[in-house]
Amino acid sequence: DAKTTQPTSMDCAEGRAANLPCNHSTISGNEYVYWYRQIHSQGPQYIIHGLKNNETNEMASLIITEDRKSSTLILPHATLRDTAVYYCIVRVGRNNNDMRFGAGTRLTVKP
Amino acid sequence: GAGVSQSPSNKVTEKGKDVELRCDPISGHTALYWYRQSLGQGLEFLIYFQGNSAPDKSGLPSDRFSAERTGGSVSTLTIQRTQQEDSAVYLCASSLVSSVSTDTQYFGPGTRLTVL
Repeated sequence: DAKTTQPTSMDCAEGRAANLPCNHSTISGNEYVYWYRQIHSQGPQYIIHGLKNNETNEMASLIITEDRKSSTLILPHATLRDTAVYYCIVRVGRNNNDMRFGAGTRLTVKP
Repeated sequence: GAGVSQSPSNKVTEKGKDVELRCDPISGHTALYWYRQSLGQGLEFLIYFQGNSAPDKSGLPSDRFSAERTGGSVSTLTIQRTQQEDSAVYLCASSLVSSVSTDTQYFGPGTRLTVL
C-alpha cells in the first residue's frame, strides 16, 4: 500500500469548514483513498473513501486531485465533537488484509 | 443497525494469566480482523478471517496469541500467559467482502487490556 503524509496537527474554529490534506504521491491505479477518524478512547470510525471522483456523504466530502497524488477531507461545519485524530489511508479496496494507519492529523475544533 | 461490539470493554489481569477477548461482527460481514493499538501508536494488525478460508495469522506477535471464529460470526482472541507488554487496546473490525464492495472495515469500540 502507498505511503501517506499528513500534517501532525490542525486547529479549526467551531462552525467553520475543516480541510484536512493528505499526500499520497505513490498511489497506484487500483488503490482507494480511505479516511477514518479516532476520537479519544474509541475505535476508528469510517468516514469516506474514493478512487478517482470526489465523494460526499453525510459526514464529509473527499476531494481527490486529478493526478490522484493528494486529497483533502472536508468537514463542512466542524463541531467540538469532530475533535479527533484523522487518518488518511490508501489501499487496494478488495482482498486486502489490513489497514495500515499512520500517525494521522490531530484536529482540534475550538469554540 | 448494530455495529461491531466487543467485550469486555476493559480488562485488568495479572501477569501470567490467560485472557479471552470477544468480538461480535456486523451481521452478514464475512471478514473479521483483530488489531491492537498501544498508547499513542498506530494500529498493529494481528489476524484476519475471511469466510471459511484459513485465517491469516501473520500479525500474531507470539505463540501466546491465538484466535478463532466460530460459525463464521463471533471471534475470540486469546492471550496466554499475559505479559506487561501485552497491555494495549485490542480492536476488532469487520467488513463485507463481495464483488461489488470495497472491503470497508468497521471497527468496534475496543477492549482495553491492562496487565499488571
